[in-house]
Order: sequence, then structure tokens, then C-alpha cells
Amino acid sequence: QQQVKQSPQSLIVQKGGISIINCAYENTAFDYFPWYQQFPGKGPALLIAIRPDVSEKKEGRFTISFNKSAKQFSLHIMDSQPGDSATYFCAASKNTGRRALTFGSGTRLQVQP
Amino acid sequence: GAVVSQHPSWVICKSGTSVKIECRSLDFQATTMFWYRQFPKQSLMLMATSNEGSKATYEQGVEKDKFLINHASLTLSTLTVTSAHPEDSSFYICSARQGASEDTQYFGPGTRLTVL
Repeated sequence: QQQVKQSPQSLIVQKGGISIINCAYENTAFDYFPWYQQFPGKGPALLIAIRPDVSEKKEGRFTISFNKSAKQFSLHIMDSQPGDSATYFCAASKNTGRRALTFGSGTRLQVQP
Repeated sequence: GAVVSQHPSWVICKSGTSVKIECRSLDFQATTMFWYRQFPKQSLMLMATSNEGSKATYEQGVEKDKFLINHASLTLSTLTVTSAHPEDSSFYICSARQGASEDTQYFGPGTRLTVL
């Protein structure tokens, strides 16, 4: 059972454009939603994270929008740059137990110059 | 801060041998560490959760006797792939969490294992 569904699988954006990646979750016990960026051959790096009590969080060019009633959250990358070309993963975890992350399937972003 | 290292970064071994991968939190004490496996162009799959001083918790379908995990200190966890086979070839990534109530996981750079 895939608890976090991510789309699109791949995305091509022109330099300066907005990249939008969407995720939907099923488990209402999830209360922490991070986004990770991964370059080939490297480990994931935390970009930004949000909790359900906030509908939007912005850090630099990265913004998370969160819709609790729809159980959806999305990552917006403003003014996308070629250096943003990477794979992006959304994830979710519960606030109890091991707090293990459940990852989405990933989105390969390519920003064309 | 919050740096996690892994050693080695890549390893090639013969089928049937064992390989040990180390995961270290360099500037914080990690009460919990996680081990993931990632196949090419796929997502991260949690293998096990490692708590300092106690037995690891393995995810369903992960063989405990094949993937031995030891969390001997608050800064070191090791994953040993025993009797490795070509199908064990993958990218192994660890992450660390600072406290029991913390959500943020910091990931290591990963270890590429190739079994010939």
C-alpha cells in the first residue's frame, strides 16, 4: 500500500519558471511532511518541512502548500534554475513510535537553460 | 551542523562475502538511526530502525540474519550485509535523528554496493 503518492514522475521546466510537485497521503496520523532533494549518487538533503497546523511555509525560493482536508501537499520552486535539476521526494511521518519516514516515489526535475 | 557520514562511499565485493557499512553522526548524538535501500531511479525503502543500545526493528520482508545492524554508540550504527549476492547490489543510505521527539532526519551520502 503506497501511503504517499507523488506526481508527476518527471518534470521539465524552463529556467526562471515555477516547478510544482504534488503529493497526497492517506494516513491521517501523519503530522510531519518534509521535502528532500537528491542529486545522483548522493544522499537526500532536507529542503523544507511543514506540519498540518500551517497551510503554507516559504524558505527562499521553496514553498510548501498544505491542504489538510484534501490530504495533499505540494512543493513550489520559484525562479527555477538549472542547478535545481535533481530528484525531489516528499515524505511523511507520524508523531508516535519510530517516526519513520514514508517516501513518495520521487520526481525527476530538469530545468532547461 | 547535523552532518551524517557513511563509510565506505562505494564497495565492490565477491558473491558470498560480507560487507560492513558505517554510519556516523559527526556533530550530534543520534538516539535513532535508520537504514534505507534505494535501487536505481526508485524511491528510498526503509530497511530497519536502529536504536542505541537495543535491537534493531526490521521492516517486513527484510531478513534480519542477512542485514545485521549494530547501534553501539550514540554516534555510530553499522549495517553488515552477510553472504552478499548480486541482488543485494544497491545504494544504501542511513539517516539519523537527534532526539526521540525530533522529526527531522539527516541523511548520509550513501554507500554504493556492487556484488559481483
